[in-house]
Amino acid sequence: DAKTTQPPSMDCAEGRAANLPCNHSTISGNEYVYWYRQIHSQGPQYIIHGLKNNETNEMASLIITEDRKSSTLILPHATLRDTAVYYCIVSGSGNTGKLIFGQGTTLQVKP
Amino acid sequence: KAGVTQTPRYLIKTRGQQVTLSCSPISGHRSVSWYQQTPGQGLQFLFEYFSETQRNKGNFPGRFSGRQFSNSRSEMNVSTLELGDSALYLCASSYTGGAGNTIYFGEGSWLTVV
Repeated sequence: DAKTTQPPSMDCAEGRAANLPCNHSTISGNEYVYWYRQIHSQGPQYIIHGLKNNETNEMASLIITEDRKSSTLILPHATLRDTAVYYCIVSGSGNTGKLIFGQGTTLQVKP
Repeated sequence: KAGVTQTPRYLIKTRGQQVTLSCSPISGHRSVSWYQQTPGQGLQFLFEYFSETQRNKGNFPGRFSGRQFSNSRSEMNVSTLELGDSALYLCASSYTGGAGNTIYFGEGSWLTVV
């Protein structure tokens, strides 16, 4: 399974866009990039995932570079409730429900 | 539709006892995975079940076991509990667990071993 590298912490001003980077230089062609977030004491919340194209949903946008070695999660208008640990995960290929979590990025949204 | 449901939410056990945790996946989901989260080790994969068969296993001792029923509900069991087993145990489900599936987590079961 490909490893990911994320900054341990980031700050963002409320109302501004939060851009969370992730490096996954060893990703293989059929591995997906997933993003989850976890607010203290709760289960991880699914945000978005993608293979090679940029993806957008009601929560966020996922931008994957053309060489797929890195990606950025964008929360367009961060609120205080977006303060959480954000995990970037590269899934294994094939039939597996296994996700390998790293340490994630702690995003602090400040008023 | 209902999300992934885990029971019980909180429990306290004594060293040496055993514990069984339950997970009801989202309706239609056949893949169920279990994770352990501790402050020191973070979120670690325990095992995955699909169609009542264990399909993948993490690096945990044999005291940790699980099973899946024909309705896709799953249970995990930890025998001979140790203090270090105190953790948040999370269950996740997806349609098949295949590449690109969306995987949803439950709120977890908090286990404290005293």
